[in-house]
Amino acid sequence: EAGVTQFPSHSVIEKGQTVTLRCDPISGHDNLYWYRRVMGKEIKFLLHFVKESKQDESGMPNNRFLAERTGGTYSTLKVQPAELEDSGVYFCASSQEWTGRWTEAFFGQGTRLTVV
Amino acid sequence: AQSVTQPDIHITVSEGASLELRCNYSYGATPYLFWYVQSPGQGLQLLLKYFSGDTLVQGIKGFEAEFKRSQSSFNLRKPSVHWSDAAEYFCAVGPILTGGGNKLTFGTGTQLKVEL
Repeated sequence: EAGVTQFPSHSVIEKGQTVTLRCDPISGHDNLYWYRRVMGKEIKFLLHFVKESKQDESGMPNNRFLAERTGGTYSTLKVQPAELEDSGVYFCASSQEWTGRWTEAFFGQGTRLTVV
Repeated sequence: AQSVTQPDIHITVSEGASLELRCNYSYGATPYLFWYVQSPGQGLQLLLKYFSGDTLVQGIKGFEAEFKRSQSSFNLRKPSVHWSDAAEYFCAVGPILTGGGNKLTFGTGTQLKVEL
């Protein structure tokens, strides 16, 4: 079974440009999470999808970030326009539907974004 | 607000030596507690978790962790480190609530180097 897959693994863009990160969760996982790690800092929660709906987007930094999950399958995270402080590693994770018990979230390898 | 502190940014141990990585948390109530590991080029992998019950929990790869409520700590231990344990280790907490429980708050990570 394939794990959580993220594309691209690395991206270098100029300030002001647009970048779109993609996450393919494990097949059948309803829950999808985005996290970000700025260099030297902690990994921070960005948002949580349940199927195609945003369950919690309290961690999104500002309106330059737009996350979508059309059809409840893969998700994209677009940064437009990118700023220098957006540099970091963006992680995606997925977990099975809630059935009254905690289920493990599986993480992708991350996308390293560098804004120059 | 909840927070996780990992006071050691870097730790170096000799292969075969014992290891303890420290983690303290601040939370309104007893949360779910986790340790994750990230090896180079890999995603975050769950080592172990604590929800309730026995305060000493066993995980994968020979790791264990002890929950101490009075100290708000959840330190990770391994009796004998192997060179393949070189990686970055993250302590995390999550809320005990319905709907998932994978909205995690992470520490800044501890980079483990193993000397042969």
